[in-house]
Amino acid sequence: QVTLKESGPGILQPSQTLSLTCTFSGFSLSTYGMGVGWIRQPSGKGLEWLANIWWDDDKYYNPSLKNRLTISKDTSNNQAFLKITNVDTADTATYYCARIDVYYGFDYWGQGVMVTVSS
Amino acid sequence: DIQMTQSPHSLSASLGETVSIECLASEGISNYLAWYQQKPGKSPQLLIYYASSLQDGVPSRFSGSGSGTQYSLKISNMQPEDEGVYYCQQGYKYPYTFGAGTKLELK
Repeated sequence: QVTLKESGPGILQPSQTLSLTCTFSGFSLSTYGMGVGWIRQPSGKGLEWLANIWWDDDKYYNPSLKNRLTISKDTSNNQAFLKITNVDTADTATYYCARIDVYYGFDYWGQGVMVTVSS
Repeated sequence: DIQMTQSPHSLSASLGETVSIECLASEGISNYLAWYQQKPGKSPQLLIYYASSLQDGVPSRFSGSGSGTQYSLKISNMQPEDEGVYYCQQGYKYPYTFGAGTKLELK
């Protein structure tokens, strides 16, 4: 059974760094072809893809966030991480992690973690 | 970036009705197209992958079709539990992009 769960700070101030953790089970990021992605959704709005990390440590980022993103993984502990630097109110959203399927969609999603950026 | 233009923005359907949602990509995406359903307060759920393959556990009244730049999701025999927002997503080229969503309501 595949499960994913996000965790994060809940609230942070503008200019701080947002650190998110995705803890998953039912698959391994050391297995050939496996990948995890991060997607966010401001309240009442659509979905925005942020980053992917693959079993071989290949990483891909959304260029719209202009080098503010860093994705990483801890294979031993079945975790993936996302850092967003220099946050502002526009980064207020629910953040999801999801497993990437073989056709580059997302087949399993976490429940999401709400992040609010406010002074 | 590949733009995903989804239509309509919203629609309402009667019980048992068949509805279709369209997704137009700004360039060919070789069927790397997924459809998701999202209900209020919940995570998106994968319905269709690779344009027309039904995800395990998804009712067969959902179907996907299309090729090149044009794709569609069909929901046959509309049920109350089908209410929600539907998104398309391309995984052909980075950055992955989503359509803006279609809100489906029961009439």
